[in-house]
Amino acid sequence: ETGVTQTPRHLVMGMTNKKSLKCEQHLGHNAMYWYKQSAKKPLELMFVYNFKEQTENNSVPSRFSPECPNSSHLFLHLHTLQPEDSALYLCASSQASGGTDTQYFGPGTRLTVL
Amino acid sequence: GIQVEQSPPDLILQEGANSTLRCNFSDSVNNLQWFHQNPWGQLINLFYIPSGTKQNGRLSATTVATERYSLLYISSSQTTDSGVYFCAVEPYGQNFVFGPGTRLSVLP
Repeated sequence: ETGVTQTPRHLVMGMTNKKSLKCEQHLGHNAMYWYKQSAKKPLELMFVYNFKEQTENNSVPSRFSPECPNSSHLFLHLHTLQPEDSALYLCASSQASGGTDTQYFGPGTRLTVL
Repeated sequence: GIQVEQSPPDLILQEGANSTLRCNFSDSVNNLQWFHQNPWGQLINLFYIPSGTKQNGRLSATTVATERYSLLYISSSQTTDSGVYFCAVEPYGQNFVFGPGTRLSVLP
């Protein structure tokens, strides 16, 4: 599926670096999501934006900072990360959150923190 | 919060075999989806199935909402079916909760 794109696909960063992950959806959806997938663990919902407003912050540490400038774009700004933050970060979108809509996922960014 | 269980956790099949994957959830849900995650990490929608039965080629799914479970059937499995299968449920007015997944390996 090419409806949701993510860049970069792979990222290696040191603990003192600042980087950003980008997600873009081309489906005309109004809700966007960030998920974290660590090895051997289920997907964990991090943030939800509905019509550009953040509606969910699932107790995520402040070293992860989301930004949603419009309904088509979602960023995840990263700073002073820890090695345990290494994971696959997945972006998804749906027509609206909390409803009866299908979620569509991007290909993910595989993050390694050294 | 809602609990989602999937069984079996791991499954190894010979190509051509059939299989059934199960998803149990602990509360009523508004939405249920099955996903396949390929070896490169991409999650692909298989079914949106809060209730009833759907079929798509060799795959079919059945959700019995009143008994809080869903089943995913894979027939005549192929090596490209390998990966992790996730069930995700959406309680009323809440966001999706994913199960732990079933890791399927189809051997040639």
